[in-house]
Amino acid sequence: DVKVTQSSRYLVKRTGEKVFLECVQDMDHENMFWYRQDPGLGLRLIYFSYDVKMKEKGDIPEGYSVSREKKERFSLILESASTNQTSMYLCASHRGGNQPQHFGDGTRLSIL
Amino acid sequence: GQNIDQPTEMTATEGAIVQINCTYQTSGFNGLFWYQQHAGEAPTFLSYNVLDGLEEKGRFSSFLSRSKGYSYLLLKELQMKDSASYLCAVRDGTALIFGKGTTLSVSS
Repeated sequence: DVKVTQSSRYLVKRTGEKVFLECVQDMDHENMFWYRQDPGLGLRLIYFSYDVKMKEKGDIPEGYSVSREKKERFSLILESASTNQTSMYLCASHRGGNQPQHFGDGTRLSIL
Repeated sequence: GQNIDQPTEMTATEGAIVQINCTYQTSGFNGLFWYQQHAGEAPTFLSYNVLDGLEEKGRFSSFLSRSKGYSYLLLKELQMKDSASYLCAVRDGTALIFGKGTTLSVSS
């Protein structure tokens, strides 16, 4: 079974802090993704990566950056957290082709 | 632009059949996925369609018509545990574009 592990289930941070969300997958998948999920808006893609050190912007990259130094790990960085970044953050990995994306359990992030 | 539409909410009773529709308008199409998401949990994969027609998997079936930009997820013999959100997603290149999800409530 594919295992996608996000470092925290719940996180509370303050406005202006630099926040790191970590995601690790154990299936040697090429592609990894970061989404945020908000009521009434659904899942929206922030960034994805198709290889080590490679990244592509998704639909809502503003205020975020990512890092992929190793194949199994994909980090989402909030450079200076703001209250409108309070959300559920979901990481996913994907082998490629017609295979489905596999999701982690999510991190519920609150910015105060 | 990219647009995926599905009903916001649906209700049904145990043992019934329910059909959740999804229409899409996207710049590219490399297949359509359905995911199930229980409250507070991660989305889990249900089905994948890339060719027109019906894919059946136990109590769940999914249908695709590429010419109409239309899919549906059919759930038979509904159980209480089927109460969840159902997400329709279109693959465009590497990324998935998700609809806002349909919350299904199953009552006894």
